[in-house]
Amino acid sequence: AQSVTQPDIHITVSEGASLELRCNYSYGATPYLFWYVQSPGQGLQLLLKYFSGDTLVQGIKGFEAEFKRSQSSFNLRKPSVHWSDAAEYFCAVGAGGNTGKLIFGQGTTLQVKP
Amino acid sequence: NAGVTQTPKFRVLKTGQSMTLLCAQDMNHEYMYWYRQDPGMGLRLIHYSVGEGTTAKGEVPDGYNVSRLKKQNFLLGLESAAPSQTSVYFCASSYSQGPDTQYFGPGTRLTVL
Repeated sequence: AQSVTQPDIHITVSEGASLELRCNYSYGATPYLFWYVQSPGQGLQLLLKYFSGDTLVQGIKGFEAEFKRSQSSFNLRKPSVHWSDAAEYFCAVGAGGNTGKLIFGQGTTLQVKP
Repeated sequence: NAGVTQTPKFRVLKTGQSMTLLCAQDMNHEYMYWYRQDPGMGLRLIHYSVGEGTTAKGEVPDGYNVSRLKKQNFLLGLESAAPSQTSVYFCASSYSQGPDTQYFGPGTRLTVL
């Protein structure tokens, strides 16, 4: 069965430092992968997605993610974190079929220190 | 273009009471989803719909019912609320049948006492 694991529940980085959030997936075929961000009290917003092609995907707000099939990973990165990036981040994989269902990881909460 | 809206934003129920959460989207999306979000568990799919008049069970459907009488609306019902249903509920919609971006509403925070 498909699954997504985000190993880090909580991460704290200093403003201006680089960021990497980890995501590992389990899926039998070529996965469709997503990163969403949730600001406090808000719904989820899509940061980026990978369906095929270039394994380095650019998203909004300066984020990027790299798909590594050999490691079953889709880690999210940002070279310089801003205080406004403090939020919860979710990795998700498409569940397959024609339903459009997504399977979400547990989420990683990012805290940014001034 | 409001996107995905949810009504109400907050609700407190007593055990055994019933209520309906309304999700509306104005993007002409075929696919709609109801999730619940609990701390440390990410989002879990309750029910979903692949078109008007259709519904299907997701990962955690027990205690919930849904209806999609109109393409733009997706209703989530709790017939007899339980404290275990205290959660934040999110509705989402997407356009195509394959893997596609889901657009989320702002959520409904439900407390069952």
